[in-house]
Amino acid sequence: AQKITQTQPGMFVQEKEAVTLDCTYDTSDQSYGLFWYKQPSSGEMIFLIYQGSYDEQNATEGRYSLNFQKARKSANLVISASQLGDSAMYFCAMREPPMYSGGGADGLTFGKGTHLIIQP
Amino acid sequence: NAGVTQTPKFRVLKTGQSMTLLCAQDMNHEYMYWYRQDPGMGLRLIHYSVGEGTTAKGEVPDGYNVSRLKKQNFLLGLESAAPSQTSVYFCASSYLGLAGAGDTQYFGPGTRLTVL
Repeated sequence: AQKITQTQPGMFVQEKEAVTLDCTYDTSDQSYGLFWYKQPSSGEMIFLIYQGSYDEQNATEGRYSLNFQKARKSANLVISASQLGDSAMYFCAMREPPMYSGGGADGLTFGKGTHLIIQP
Repeated sequence: NAGVTQTPKFRVLKTGQSMTLLCAQDMNHEYMYWYRQDPGMGLRLIHYSVGEGTTAKGEVPDGYNVSRLKKQNFLLGLESAAPSQTSVYFCASSYLGLAGAGDTQYFGPGTRLTVL
């Protein structure tokens, strides 16, 4: 089973509208972290936002917020007032620290991404 | 403060050739990682290091070797390149990699490798 599922391969959104990018995850760990990264056409990976499994409040960073629904294992990224420069691939990722998961490799597990295109 | 840098940016190899990708970070991070990104997929972990002199296998380690002789550098080696190793390779680093799980990984610009 996939650990990170992003069900929207592509999205078209009008400029200035809000965007929600879906992410569901699968883990049996109690301690884990969820991340969103942006990858523009230039190729670099840009960190956007982080949510810890024990955080009770949804994370926010400027125009980005993370809608964290722990019981549903959902960590959707919300971009308010979208801009043309938001056009990019967006990846959801999860870290399950081995010291809490009982072993295994460290590092991030990524979803396959959502290609977001903002239209003027 | 350059962050995470990768050398080279592009490389074309013939099947069977060897090469080394260099990753350097100037943030005094303990943890370093190598990922590969293939079309239509997210990044997958190849190897990682939790500190100078240590290395560990990730999800897709076969065909690669790594070394971390200095804290700031993490090398990824391909001893005998295969077409299946055509990919974009990303290096990343994080401060401690401990729990709280919120140890953000910062990525280099990537190396695009083609194996003919």
